Amino acid sequence: ILNVEQSPQSLHVQEGDSTNFTCSFPSSNFYALHWYRWETAKSPEALFVMTLNGDEKKKGRISATLNTKEGYSYLYIKGSQPEDSATYLCAARDNYGQNFVFGPGTRLSVLP
Amino acid sequence: SAVISQKPSRDICQRGTSLTIQCQVDSQVTMMFWYRQQPGQSLTLIATANQGSEATYESGFVIDKFPISRPNLTFSTLTVSNMSPEDSSIYLCSVVLVTSGLNTGELFFGEGSRLTVL
Repeated sequence: ILNVEQSPQSLHVQEGDSTNFTCSFPSSNFYALHWYRWETAKSPEALFVMTLNGDEKKKGRISATLNTKEGYSYLYIKGSQPEDSATYLCAARDNYGQNFVFGPGTRLSVLP
Repeated sequence: SAVISQKPSRDICQRGTSLTIQCQVDSQVTMMFWYRQQPGQSLTLIATANQGSEATYESGFVIDKFPISRPNLTFSTLTVSNMSPEDSSIYLCSVVLVTSGLNTGELFFGEGSRLTVL
């Protein structure tokens, strides 16, 4: 059974600051790692899916990296804006069930 | 992507009652899932809704408590039966679609149904 962890649990940053947070997952039988952004009262929105060790993905000011050998992924936000305030979820999938196993999320608040 | 509509978006329910949540997708999808997120917890898979057969439940979830229907490839319902305050959660319907350029598939979600049980 996959166990996915995220840290920190919550984060407050000032507008304009850059920030990053971590997703940890078992490195054995890795299949894919997904990042989602979940704003209150909206659907979780897919940000990235990564499958290869060393993958780096970027969307605007947000980027993510993947290390499958040690079992972690970082999400970076450059120049945080208030509209970046959301819960950021990661989900890992392994080769067995390929179910999406979610971490508890990192709640980001960007203060103007 | 897919447009996934859920209703109700929120409800306040009395202990011991049951509530059915509906999920409508704008296209035919093979794999449809129901998740919940209890306060402070991870998004957790309840079951896979199978078209034309019984849902497949994850460990800790049973059909009597969370009956699921999937009459066709675009619609599903989840019922939360005999509710207690511990059932207060956000319930999310989701589907897996294979997006262009990827064969891994991606989860798309409805906006969720926020249930509060008094």
